[in-house]
Amino acid sequence: EPEVTQTPSHQVTQMGQEVILRCVPISNHLYFYWYRQILGQKVEFLVSFYNNEISEKSEIFDDQFSVERPDGSNFTLKIRSTKLEDSAMYFCASSEDGYNEKLFFGSGTQLSVL
Amino acid sequence: KQEVTQIPAALSVPEGENLVLNCSFTDSAIYNLQWFRQDPGKGLTSLLLIQSSQREQTSGRLNASLDKSSGRSTLYIAASQPGDSATYLCAVRPPGNQFYFGTGTSLTVIP
Repeated sequence: EPEVTQTPSHQVTQMGQEVILRCVPISNHLYFYWYRQILGQKVEFLVSFYNNEISEKSEIFDDQFSVERPDGSNFTLKIRSTKLEDSAMYFCASSEDGYNEKLFFGSGTQLSVL
Repeated sequence: KQEVTQIPAALSVPEGENLVLNCSFTDSAIYNLQWFRQDPGKGLTSLLLIQSSQREQTSGRLNASLDKSSGRSTLYIAASQPGDSATYLCAVRPPGNQFYFGTGTSLTVIP
């Protein structure tokens, strides 16, 4: 069965460093998302991406965050200057359309900012 | 802003029991509701998606219902098995692209 793949599974970085989290969505899906989950808290929406542009973003997704689809398969989340509070599990997800289809999640990247 | 609540936060049942997990949401203007399963340290697996026009969806031993007007959904698990042990998350999609998640119910099925 097709799946969303994320790399790396774990990333440790120093505060202030840039990180790039990578995702390969399911190939025929058109909508791509990033969510995150801080330990013990709810899964939170960061951003959605469709037709090569951001379609919606949350308050969390400030100027330190950016997303890109550099080629036909990869979808990346960049955090420019990481903070301690960015430590979380980051999930990539994709769906066939934006409204009526299931959301498929990757297994996540655990980001630890020291 | 949409708020999603799940009760109970944790549930422990003996194998073979039928159980119900509850989800409530504050704004009934939703496109759909999705139930997920999350295993420790893993991603989320979609279990069932209910469109706003539907009342329920079934998949194997799982049945999810939706009462949009009262802002409630339930996930019924029949004949529970130890392999069902996981955290179950409910998420609603209002107009827009994002899902709002609940805090989850941590289920333990005791052999």
